[in-house]
Amino acid sequence: EPEVTQTPSHQVTQMGQEVILRCVPISNHLYFYWYRQILGQKVEFLVSFYNNEISEKSEIFDDQFSVERPDGSNFTLKIRSTKLEDSAMYFCASGQLSSGNTIYFGEGSWLTVV
Amino acid sequence: RKEVEQDPGPFNVPEGATVAFNCTYSNSASQSFFWYRQDCRKEPKLLMSVYSSGNEDGRFTAQLNRASQYISLLIRDSKLSDSATYLCVVNMEDTGRRALTFGSGTRLQVQP
Repeated sequence: EPEVTQTPSHQVTQMGQEVILRCVPISNHLYFYWYRQILGQKVEFLVSFYNNEISEKSEIFDDQFSVERPDGSNFTLKIRSTKLEDSAMYFCASGQLSSGNTIYFGEGSWLTVV
Repeated sequence: RKEVEQDPGPFNVPEGATVAFNCTYSNSASQSFFWYRQDCRKEPKLLMSVYSSGNEDGRFTAQLNRASQYISLLIRDSKLSDSATYLCVVNMEDTGRRALTFGSGTRLQVQP
């Protein structure tokens, strides 16, 4: 069964450092997403990406965040200058349609900012 | 008012029990509804979509009441492996926002 894969599974970084989280979406999917879940809290939408551009972003996705699909397979989330409150599980997801359709999540990248 | 609201639980039930979870959503024009399951420190996994006519998948039954903006999930004959957090998820497309909105989840613990 095709799946969304994410790397790294866990990263510890110092406050102020840049972090890149990587995702390989399911190959025939066209819509890509990043969500995050702070420990003990709900899953929150960050950004969606379609046709090589951001289609939607939440208020959480501020200037320190960026996404890219550099090579047609990887989908990356960059956090430019990490803060303690960025510590969370970051989930990548992909889907075939933009809405009303199932999206599939990767296993997540656990980011710890110290 | 929270966009998607769930009773956090935990619901502690014995094996074989029937358990029901409820969820309310704030946006009356929401169009797509789902139940996801999340195990501790794992990714959300789709359990089932929820259709207006209600739908069943084995031991799981989902219902949607658009008038009351209410979604339910019924689990019959609970198994130990059903222990997880159940996430109510809504797509609020009419706001121009097509991303999924998650509830905080209801934790289920099935006991032997």
